[in-house]
Amino acid sequence: AQKITQTQPGMFVQEKEAVTLDCTYDTSDQSYGLFWYKQPSSGEMIFLIYQGSYDEQNATEGRYSLNFQKARKSANLVISASQLGDSAMYFCAMREFNRDDKIIFGKGTRLHILP
Amino acid sequence: KAGVTQTPRYLIKTRGQQVTLSCSPISGHRSVSWYQQTPGQGLQFLFEYFSETQRNKGNFPGRFSGRQFSNSRSEMNVSTLELGDSALYLCASSPRDRTYTEAFFGQGTRLTVV
Repeated sequence: AQKITQTQPGMFVQEKEAVTLDCTYDTSDQSYGLFWYKQPSSGEMIFLIYQGSYDEQNATEGRYSLNFQKARKSANLVISASQLGDSAMYFCAMREFNRDDKIIFGKGTRLHILP
Repeated sequence: KAGVTQTPRYLIKTRGQQVTLSCSPISGHRSVSWYQQTPGQGLQFLFEYFSETQRNKGNFPGRFSGRQFSNSRSEMNVSTLELGDSALYLCASSPRDRTYTEAFFGQGTRLTVV
């Protein structure tokens, strides 16, 4: 079974609109962390935001926020006021602290921002 | 503060050859992980090193190996290259043991096997 599911292979969004990228995860661990990364066409993986399983507040970093719904095992990324430079692949990822130290990635969502 | 540095950025190798990729983590980071990214399989974990010890290994054949030096720099080696090894290889460094909340990646090495 997939541990990280990103159901949107691709999305088209008008510039300046907000966008939500979906991510659901599967774990039996109580202690885990959720990450979002952006990968532009250059290939580098850019860290955007982190949410710990015990964090009560949703994480925010500038225009990025993480809508964390623990009971639903959902960790959606919200980008406010999208910009052309936001066009990229976005990966949701998880690390289970009680297992090992690898980060498990979803298949990604390709986001296209339209002018 | 310099980021994660991977060298070389691009490589073209012939089937059967071997290749060594290098990763210099962010200063002070002691954990280095390697990932393979292909269009078909996505991002797959190769292995992780911490304080010169391999702590975790993904499901890859023994042709894939790595090591970490005392300065935390890491190398990954692939022997007897196959066409299917063509991929973007990404290295990530992390600041702390076990409970890190950040993992920063390098720009990757794009390996093409012909």
